[in-house]
This record gives sequence, C-alpha cells and structure tokens, in this order.
Amino acid sequence: AQTVTQSQPEMSVQEAETVTLSCTYDTSESNYYLFWYKQPPSRQMILVIRQEAYKQQNATENRFSVNFQKAAKSFSLKISDSQLGDTAMYFCAFNGIIQGAQKLVFGQGTRLTINP
Amino acid sequence: DAMVIQNPRYQVTQFGKPVTLSCSQTLNHNVMYWYQQKSSQAPKLLFHYYDKDFNNEADTPDNFQSRRPNTSFCFLDIRSPGLGDAAMYLCATSRGQTGGGKLFFGSGTQLSVL
Repeated sequence: AQTVTQSQPEMSVQEAETVTLSCTYDTSESNYYLFWYKQPPSRQMILVIRQEAYKQQNATENRFSVNFQKAAKSFSLKISDSQLGDTAMYFCAFNGIIQGAQKLVFGQGTRLTINP
Repeated sequence: DAMVIQNPRYQVTQFGKPVTLSCSQTLNHNVMYWYQQKSSQAPKLLFHYYDKDFNNEADTPDNFQSRRPNTSFCFLDIRSPGLGDAAMYLCATSRGQTGGGKLFFGSGTQLSVL
C-alpha cells in the first residue's frame, strides 16, 4: 500500500533562515506525482509545489524547492529566506493509482513555526 | 474566479441528527473528492466520484454517504452523526487522468456535533 511518512511533527526556525522538511513514501508505481501542501490556521489547503516522478529535475517555486530522490523514495521541501507567513502545517502528499483509482494520500504533517 | 466552494463554512448538528454538507465547482472537473480531517491530523479520503462512478474507501463508515447529481455539485450526507464525526470536511476536485495529479481544494466545512 502507498504510504507517506513525515518524521518531523514540529519544526521551528527564525525568520530568514532556511528550513528543510522531510518526507518519505512507499510505492510500487513508476508514474506518480508528489506534492507539498500548506495549511495555515484558516485550514485552507494551499498547493506549494508539485513534482512529477518521471522528471529528474527538482521542482522549484520561488523560495520553495524540493530534493526528489526517486530511488530512495524521498521528497524533502526546502524553504529559503523563511517568512512569518510561512507558519503553517505542511503536508507531503502522493498522488498515484491506488487500488485502481487515482488518489491523493497525505503524510501526517509537519507543523512549522517561523519566529520573528 | 473558478473555484471549489463549500457551504456552509461552519455547521453545527445534534448527535444523531442527519446533516448534509455541500460542495460545488466551476472548474468542470470530472473528479470530486471528500476528505475528513480531524484536529492536527492528515486529511483522510472518504470517497470520490470519477464522473458518475462512485468509489468508496474500504474504511469509510456506512454512516457516510455521498451524492453527485451533476458535474458541478457533490454532497456529503452523514446519516446519524456521532461525536467522533466532528471534524473539518474538505471537498476537492481534479481533472482525473489529464490533471497531472493536481487537486483543487475548497475552504472546508467545520462540523460540530453537540
């Protein structure tokens, strides 16, 4: 079964620092997508970044970048020059064919706090 | 703007009293999902529709049902809510096979059970 594991329940850094959130996943599929979602206190699920498994190049979106290691099934998120507005719950997610249907499965989440 | 809309934002019901949560979309996506998210936990997929085909997760309680009368609307029915059903319910849509795996989420309905 596809699983997503985030081993850091909570992290805290100072504003302007760089922080890396870890994620590992387990799948036997070769084609899939990986995501990082941000969920602030409003509970709105916001897409941060997306990685297609068949692409070797790591995705980047402004201050957000990923380190995608397909063989190791690892997908970490790096936030550079962190800002107070980055404070949120971050979920790593896997989207692929699970039991015959395309589904999005989330990790347990990492609560990130950016301190002034 | 095209979007996924959930109403109401907050819903209070009584123990055992049926409740319906609504989701609509203007994206014309063929797949709609319902997730349950309890406090400080990851969203958990309850079921999804691929067009009119209903797909129930194996561990979704029988108490939860869904209807999709047309492409734009999807409803979550909780027949006899228990205290354990208090949670945030998130609706999401996608373009299925051509969507690149990307889901679009509504802002959720926070359900309280008294």
